Amino acid sequence: EVQLVQSGPEVRKPGESLKISCKGSGYFFSNHWIAWVRQMPGKGLEWMAIIYPSDSDTRYRPSFQGQVTISADKSTSSTYLQWSSLRASDTAIYYCARLLYFDSSDSKFGAFDVWGQGTLVTVSS
Amino acid sequence: DIQMTQSPSTLSASVGDRVTITCRASQSISTWLAWYQQKTGEAPKLLIYDASNLERGVPPRFSGTGSGTEFTLTISSLQPDDFVTYYCQQYKSFSGTFGQGTKVEIK
Repeated sequence: EVQLVQSGPEVRKPGESLKISCKGSGYFFSNHWIAWVRQMPGKGLEWMAIIYPSDSDTRYRPSFQGQVTISADKSTSSTYLQWSSLRASDTAIYYCARLLYFDSSDSKFGAFDVWGQGTLVTVSS
Repeated sequence: DIQMTQSPSTLSASVGDRVTITCRASQSISTWLAWYQQKTGEAPKLLIYDASNLERGVPPRFSGTGSGTEFTLTISSLQPDDFVTYYCQQYKSFSGTFGQGTKVEIK
């Protein structure tokens, strides 16, 4: 079974750092782009960044550039999303999701066909 | 960024009803559109990609049509599990924007 399994919920204070993870199984992990998608409380969906685990090629949505860091470890079939200094506005559920495809020559990508279960991040003093 | 507008925001219907959700793009996106279903407390699930292709394992009561700027998701006969929220997403442009969602509730 193809699946993405994410790390558990996190509670942090503003200014603290955090790294959450997503582990793939049931398919050749390195050959599929993976995205991180944010869902703020009661709101819709926004993708933040994508990575190709085979060579760690990354792309960021402009509004998230410099705010988060995406990384991958193909040896453990895992991708990560990290913050160096959290804000209260980072409180959200974060999903990892597999892209059907991504054409790096024109930054064209397809739908998200497999999703992790989500990681709730709460940032509060 | 390409803006995606779904209508209605909330839809009231009964089991067995045929319902249609509309998604409009602020500019042409050809057929670069997906539909997702999200149950409360769960991750989104891909239903339709490239505007009309049914994802493997999705029941055939779900169908998608449209091209350019106007798209529809139709559920031919609502089942109890279908009373949840639906999102469209364009992937014509790098922004990959989602619609704001349509909640289908029991009348």
